[in-house]
Amino acid sequence: DTGVSQDPRHKITKRGQNVTFRCDPISEHNRLYWYRQTLGQGPEFLTYFQNEAQLEKSRLLSDRFSAERPKGSFSTLEIQRTEQGDSAMYLCASSLGGQASNEQYFGPGTRLTVT
Amino acid sequence: LAKTTQPISMDSYEGQEVNITCSHNNIATNDYITWYQQFPSQGPRFIIQGYKTKVTNEVASLFIPADRKSSTLSLPRVSLSDTAVYYCLVGGSSGTYKYIFGTGTRLKVLA
Repeated sequence: DTGVSQDPRHKITKRGQNVTFRCDPISEHNRLYWYRQTLGQGPEFLTYFQNEAQLEKSRLLSDRFSAERPKGSFSTLEIQRTEQGDSAMYLCASSLGGQASNEQYFGPGTRLTVT
Repeated sequence: LAKTTQPISMDSYEGQEVNITCSHNNIATNDYITWYQQFPSQGPRFIIQGYKTKVTNEVASLFIPADRKSSTLSLPRVSLSDTAVYYCLVGGSSGTYKYIFGTGTRLKVLA
């Protein structure tokens, strides 16, 4: 399978703990996106990378959220001091550059439950 | 950022053509219009993308009027497996990477 993969698929954590999610994009895609989705809502854009550069992060929900893509390949999203309101599906997507950038390929998501 | 507005839900019967319209009044000159499909517990899946007039692929058609302030996704002869949420997305202009999904249209196909 050469699609976007995310790990873990499910994460249950206690409030106050830190969590980290990993995304492996399609190998030739240089753009990578993180979204959050809550029940009944569309995906909410969080941040975007082109290669290793984080070009947009103003939508990260608070300073507890951070993302990296150190070598321009996989990416991690970390949430520090989790809160119950962080419970959601976290989606990663990747795309090629150029005008086709709206054609994003999404992974299966990581479902986070904060207890 | 271009905000999109879609109907919250639609019902259809198998074999019918379904048209879902999206309004995006403040679309930017260089923005593309993209539609995604999402099944429960899965990430969205790209359906079709266009800039103006009409685009057709093997699964759908996208109609965009000259003013580009709206677009219509057309699904020919839907089946039960087309039951999903459909999102209209506007963006992609150079330097703009904040892609805004709306709440989508929940399509239910009935037998």
